[in-house]
Order: sequence, then C-alpha cells, then structure tokens
Amino acid sequence: ELKVEQNPLFLSMQEGKNYTIYCNYSTTSDRLYWYRQDPGKSLESLFVLLSNGAVKQEGRLMASLDTKARLSTLHITAAVHDLSATYFCAVYRYGGSQGNLIFGKGTKLSVKP
Amino acid sequence: NAGVTQTPKFQVLKTGQSMTLQCAQDMNHEYMSWYRQDPGMGLRLIHYSVGAGITDQGEVPNGYNVSRSTTEDFPLRLLSAAPSQTSVYFCASSYSEGAGDTEAFFGQGTRLTVV
Repeated sequence: ELKVEQNPLFLSMQEGKNYTIYCNYSTTSDRLYWYRQDPGKSLESLFVLLSNGAVKQEGRLMASLDTKARLSTLHITAAVHDLSATYFCAVYRYGGSQGNLIFGKGTKLSVKP
Repeated sequence: NAGVTQTPKFQVLKTGQSMTLQCAQDMNHEYMSWYRQDPGMGLRLIHYSVGAGITDQGEVPNGYNVSRSTTEDFPLRLLSAAPSQTSVYFCASSYSEGAGDTEAFFGQGTRLTVV
C-alpha cells in the first residue's frame, strides 16, 4: 500500500528565510505532484515531476524528485507573505486499483513579517 | 474553458436526507474522482472512475454512491446523510495512464454540513 508522508505539517517562517518541505513515499513511483491550497479554496497545481532527478522552479519555489530515495522536496527561498498556504504532495500510483493519486496530509505554511 | 465544475458550492443537510453533488469536466478526461477533505486528514479518495460506465471504490466509500454515464459527468450521491459526512468535497479529473499526462485538475469544492 502506498503511503505518503509530508513533514513538517506546520511551518511558521519569517519573511526572507529559506526552508524545505519533505515528501516521502513508501513504494515505487516516478510521478509526483505538488499542489497549493489557499484557505477556503481549491487545489492549484504547482509542479509536475515525471522522472528521477526532475527539478522544477517557479519564482521562490523549487521542487525536486529522487525516485530512488522515494523523496521529493519543495524548497522555499526568501519567503514572502504571499506564499502562506497549505502545500500538498501527491504521488501517482500505477495500476490504480485504489485510485491513482495518494496525497500527503499537507504542510500549512505561515510566513510572518 | 471551464475545466472542472462542481455544484453546489455550499449545502446544509439534515441527518437522513439525500442529495447529489454534481461534477462536470470539459477536458475529455477519462479519469474522474471524488475526494473529501477533513482537517488534519489531507484528501481521502471516496470513489473514482476510469471511464464511462466504470467506477470503483476508494479509501472511504461508505455512505456514497457514484455513476458515470458520460465522460463529462461524475455525480456523487449521499444516500442518507450523517454528521460524519460534514466535510469539503472535491472532484478531480485527469487523463488516464496511457495518455502519459496524468496531472489532476480540481473543481472548486462543495462545503457540506450535515446537522
């Protein structure tokens, strides 16, 4: 059974600081997605990582995937208040006998001035 | 391009009532799914469909029914609402594995309260 663990679950940062959110998963997969959710809103796709070593960057966020370690990271550089949100990773499960996307519990990020 | 459309956005039900949450997508996606989101629990899969006429259970299917008569629509039915079904419900769609691109797109959500 594929399990996805994110840590930390809560993160309070000061503006201008750097930090990394980790997403570990338990069985083989080479597709991983990061989503952002603002309070009361839907999930917005941030990054699609489709192979080992994939790295994507958008603004102050950079995501990477290491399929051998079963680990993805979301790195935040010089955080700003606008990045405050909940971030979810989701791992793709091939075969889909119990659905094809397994989500972590999310990391609630709060960026303070 | 509307993407994934869910209705209603908000709903209050009394215990024992039934209702249908609607989900429609216009991207010709084969794969559609329903999740519920509860505080501290992430998103949990209720039911999913890999194409018209094909549905299957996810992690938390009890108390919910689905059908998929067309590629575009995937309604979720609550048979007899219970307070434990108070949650935010999201519908999502994507291409299936064979298409290569499996990124999921989400509707705006339905906030359901059962009293």
